[in-house]
Amino acid sequence: DAMVIQNPRYQVTQFGKPVTLSCSQTLNHNVMYWYQQKSSQAPKLLFHYYDKDFNNEADTPDNFQSRRPNTSFCFLDIRSPGLGDAAMYLCATSRDSGGEQYFGPGTRLTVT
Amino acid sequence: RKEVEQDPGPFNVPEGATVAFNCTYSNSASQSFFWYRQDCRKEPKLLMSVYSSGNEDGRFTAQLNRASQYISLLIRDSKLSDSATYLCVVNKGYGGSQGNLIFGKGTKLSVKP
Repeated sequence: DAMVIQNPRYQVTQFGKPVTLSCSQTLNHNVMYWYQQKSSQAPKLLFHYYDKDFNNEADTPDNFQSRRPNTSFCFLDIRSPGLGDAAMYLCATSRDSGGEQYFGPGTRLTVT
Repeated sequence: RKEVEQDPGPFNVPEGATVAFNCTYSNSASQSFFWYRQDCRKEPKLLMSVYSSGNEDGRFTAQLNRASQYISLLIRDSKLSDSATYLCVVNKGYGGSQGNLIFGKGTKLSVKP
């Protein structure tokens, strides 16, 4: 039944150690998004893919990269996590740009 | 002016009460409007889309006032299970990626027995 799946749900990494978060969807949606959400803050868009077309937000640090090898999967790579990168990372999908977005359960990242 | 602004609350109401949340948005070109619900440490879940003059879904009614750039959410007969943070969400409406959504910080609702 799960439509947007994120793995792992909890990730602990060391300062500076690369980490990859994954997202998959069974909705066959064109658009996939990655958001970062910190406590008591709004989700902040990092980037999104419209099909294979990658769109980076202007204020997303270079430390964050993404890959979308096919329609179903999208990955978030954090090359050198800092303590400030500890957050919930949310993947979302939408059929088209501007439409309703459906979120996965999120990956909670802890950096030690 | 913030792009999407909401009263953070918390709103503490008894069961059965009617409660209303308001949201203002800054870009008159925005075309898509939503209310999402987010439980503590969980993902946002779509509650309602608001596309025209508003719509109703059971105990929930959303209204849109384009002239004032204002959206509201009314919850009637509040249940304990309505306790959550309610996020007002608007599409960017300008520049590249104008379809991208901008989230408010949310309004926290706590329904008490």
